[in-house]
Amino acid sequence: DAGVTQSPTHLIKTRGQQVTLRCSPKSGHDTVSWYQQALGQGPQFIFQYYEEEERQRGNFPDRFSGHQFPNYSSELNVNALWLGDSALYLCASSRLDRIFNYGYTFGSGTRLTVV
Amino acid sequence: DAKTTQPPSMDCAEGRAANLPCNHSTISGNEYVYWYRQIHSQGPQYIIHGLKNNETNEMASLIITEDRKSSTLILPHATLRDTAVYYCIVSTQTGANNLFFGTGTRLTVIP
Repeated sequence: DAGVTQSPTHLIKTRGQQVTLRCSPKSGHDTVSWYQQALGQGPQFIFQYYEEEERQRGNFPDRFSGHQFPNYSSELNVNALWLGDSALYLCASSRLDRIFNYGYTFGSGTRLTVV
Repeated sequence: DAKTTQPPSMDCAEGRAANLPCNHSTISGNEYVYWYRQIHSQGPQYIIHGLKNNETNEMASLIITEDRKSSTLILPHATLRDTAVYYCIVSTQTGANNLFFGTGTRLTVIP
């Protein structure tokens, strides 16, 4: 049973560009959350998607947007990239009715470097 | 914002028990204690969670004090593969949708 799959694993972009990161949730999961992890820090919550809608959002600017598809997969888009956006971007999936029992399942992340 | 305090780093000898403390003095009655760990270059991995009773699973044990202001994660027989950053998080059941990670405890298991 595949876990959470993220693509690409590594990415280098130039300041001002736009980037799209992709996530396929674990089989049976319907909720996808995105986190940003700067070097040496813990993951920071960006937003969560359920039923193709943004359900909750952390303290991130509108440059960060997302989408969830009918098959539960998700994309994270970041516009007008800054150097400070360089980080590991993590996707986590869960079943909304079972987060309590099983917690999140995280992917291995996409390492984004902005130059 | 993170509501927990953890030591930044700890060492543990291989085969010995690793006891990772966490202070959460402002925890509310409906908040649970969750533990995750993150091995280098991987995403965080759920370990265990609890409300007020001690919990045990195949990975670890969680001991929560009676006043719920602190807890300890116990890895009974640490192996080199347990070297990771361990995060203690407090959250409501519904709030568990968006976990607030702090900087965690970096556990190094020494051969």
